[in-house]
Amino acid sequence: DGGITQSPKYLFRKEGQNVTLSCEQNLNHDAMYWYRQDPGQGLRLIYYSQIVNDFQKGDIAEGYSVSREKKESFPLTVTSAQKNPTAFYLCASSQSGPTITPYEQYFGPGTRLTVT
Amino acid sequence: AQSVTQLDSQVPVFEEAPVELRCNYSSSVSVYLFWYVQYPNQGLQLLLKYLSGSTLVKGINGFEAEFNKSQTSFHLRKPSVHISDTAEYFCAVTPVGKTSYDKVIFGPGTSLSVIP
Repeated sequence: DGGITQSPKYLFRKEGQNVTLSCEQNLNHDAMYWYRQDPGQGLRLIYYSQIVNDFQKGDIAEGYSVSREKKESFPLTVTSAQKNPTAFYLCASSQSGPTITPYEQYFGPGTRLTVT
Repeated sequence: AQSVTQLDSQVPVFEEAPVELRCNYSSSVSVYLFWYVQYPNQGLQLLLKYLSGSTLVKGINGFEAEFNKSQTSFHLRKPSVHISDTAEYFCAVTPVGKTSYDKVIFGPGTSLSVIP
């Protein structure tokens, strides 16, 4: 079955440590995204990537970094510079290109990160 | 730029009663519209989408939504809810016409609680 996997589902870290969240998709999608979800705030875009070896900052990129070395993988690193990292992180993917509609995004199950 | 408003942050409803979740958007260009559902501690799943054509859109799990261009609304409805419909619901828009990136704007979400 095609889909998106995120691991781990729950992650605990001490303040000051970097942590990397995994996201893998086998949907053959070009575009991938990372969102942060906080209660009552909906989803906020952290980073996105339209093709391999290219990615762009979203609305709240400060304190985060990403890489896109393979089409299937888009890991997110939460650095110690992120002031409030405790949140639910969602990875998504979609087809991309000027002839592609309807821009539907497919989501992974999420990783809940707790930093103490 | 686009924005999405979901006026009701929480909607309690009795089982088998009808429900309407409201969504209004603001955009200077035409948009595609989506409703996503998120069950506790899971990713988002597409319920339905409006791209063009008939303004009444039917989705999964018995949900439907109506696009009203003059009122810039895309309200979600279900004639009879079940306990299993308890979840967070997100309205989202994306501008018509491909540029360089699939920008999806999510609303803050509405928490639907179905009461037995």
